[in-house]
Amino acid sequence: GAGVSQSPRYKVAKRGQDVALRCDPISGHVSLFWYQQALGQGPEFLTYFQNEAQLDKSGLPSDRFFAERPEGSVSTLKIQRTQQEDSAVYLCASSLDGNQPQHFGDGTRLSIL
Amino acid sequence: AQSVSQHNHHVILSEAASLELGCNYSYGGTVNLFWYVQYPGQHLQLLLKYFSGDPLVKGIKGFEAEFIKSKFSFNLRKPSVQWSDTAEYFCAVNSRGNAGNMLTFGGGTRLMVKP
Repeated sequence: GAGVSQSPRYKVAKRGQDVALRCDPISGHVSLFWYQQALGQGPEFLTYFQNEAQLDKSGLPSDRFFAERPEGSVSTLKIQRTQQEDSAVYLCASSLDGNQPQHFGDGTRLSIL
Repeated sequence: AQSVSQHNHHVILSEAASLELGCNYSYGGTVNLFWYVQYPGQHLQLLLKYFSGDPLVKGIKGFEAEFIKSKFSFNLRKPSVQWSDTAEYFCAVNSRGNAGNMLTFGGGTRLMVKP
């Protein structure tokens, strides 16, 4: 069955470039989460959507990070003026609602040179 | 704020050995508890979860975990590991009853099972 799909799987960018990471959640899942996973660490929460509404963005590390989910399905995480410390795996997860277990995608491994 | 601590960063076992991975959390309210597993090259998968009821939870592939509220712990166990259990294991918690239940993860434990 279709799971959470993320693209690209790998992204290499030069410092200062903008990047966009895409997440296609499981069909019908209301809740969508973005996490950042640095090397050797557990995932850390970035932001949460319920349908198209971004209800929590408390985990976004700076105003260079922006996420949207305009039609309540696909979501995009955008990072502007990337820095080396942005290098990490970015994980997307979706769930039927906020109280159900989250299903994770494969992640996008972002490397900033 | 919630926090999760996994005491062992790396564990090496031989096949058929018993496994116990520690997980302690810090949170003042009621929580849901999870163990996720990440096999090499794959995405995070749910191994088991505790929402309420029997504190001994059984998951897939012979894994179980016990919620001990007084100790704020949710340790993962398996009586006899297999080579195919080689993976990274993450304990996670979220707040019960809130919409937008983001997960707080521990740092993960890398398990290597020697054939």
